[in-house]
Amino acid sequence: GDSVTQMEGPVTLSEEAFLTINCTYTATGYPSLFWYVQYPGEGLQLLLKATKADDKGSNKGFEATYRKETTSFHLEKGSVQVSDSAVYFCALSDPGGAAGNKLTFGGGTRVLVKP
Amino acid sequence: DVKVTQSSRYLVKRTGEKVFLECVQDMDHENMFWYRQDPGLGLRLIYFSYDVKMKEKGDIPEGYSVSREKKERFSLILESASTNQTSMYLCASSTYTRGTDTQYFGPGTRLTVL
Repeated sequence: GDSVTQMEGPVTLSEEAFLTINCTYTATGYPSLFWYVQYPGEGLQLLLKATKADDKGSNKGFEATYRKETTSFHLEKGSVQVSDSAVYFCALSDPGGAAGNKLTFGGGTRVLVKP
Repeated sequence: DVKVTQSSRYLVKRTGEKVFLECVQDMDHENMFWYRQDPGLGLRLIYFSYDVKMKEKGDIPEGYSVSREKKERFSLILESASTNQTSMYLCASSTYTRGTDTQYFGPGTRLTVL
């Protein structure tokens, strides 16, 4: 079945540092890929997505490129802020699924940015 | 803005009690989902529904049931709560398009079973 693997945290960074969170996936079809973010005390919200190979998703200074050849969707940000402290989830959605758009999530990576 | 609300932010129940978690969305979405979130395990799908009165099992349905009598409301039921059901429960909704649409999440209910 489908699966998503992402690096374990916590990741602790200083403000303005470069952030990378690795994500790799296994899927039988041609999935869409997502990054969701969960700020403290809140539910998940979509950060960015990519629906086909070589697509780049971007939002709030974050970027991720859908790499079919390496089955990866790594999240990057060039200069993090304290407000980026959150838990980040990589996820995939298999469009060949029977109904709806079920998501398969990775385990989440907690990021802590210190001033 | 899409709004997904959950009936409680925090809930404490005793072993063996019947527990109802309610979720309401205001965007006329066809799909609704219940997940549980546990540290290191990410989110795991319990049940989902793609239409009124329709439901399908997710990856971990044991010990849970669901009800969807109206399009905007999706309930998760723990028939007899157990301590291993202590977790964060997240509800989500989405419109029906194959594989590309965003799921919108509620704030979650942190359930403790004593």
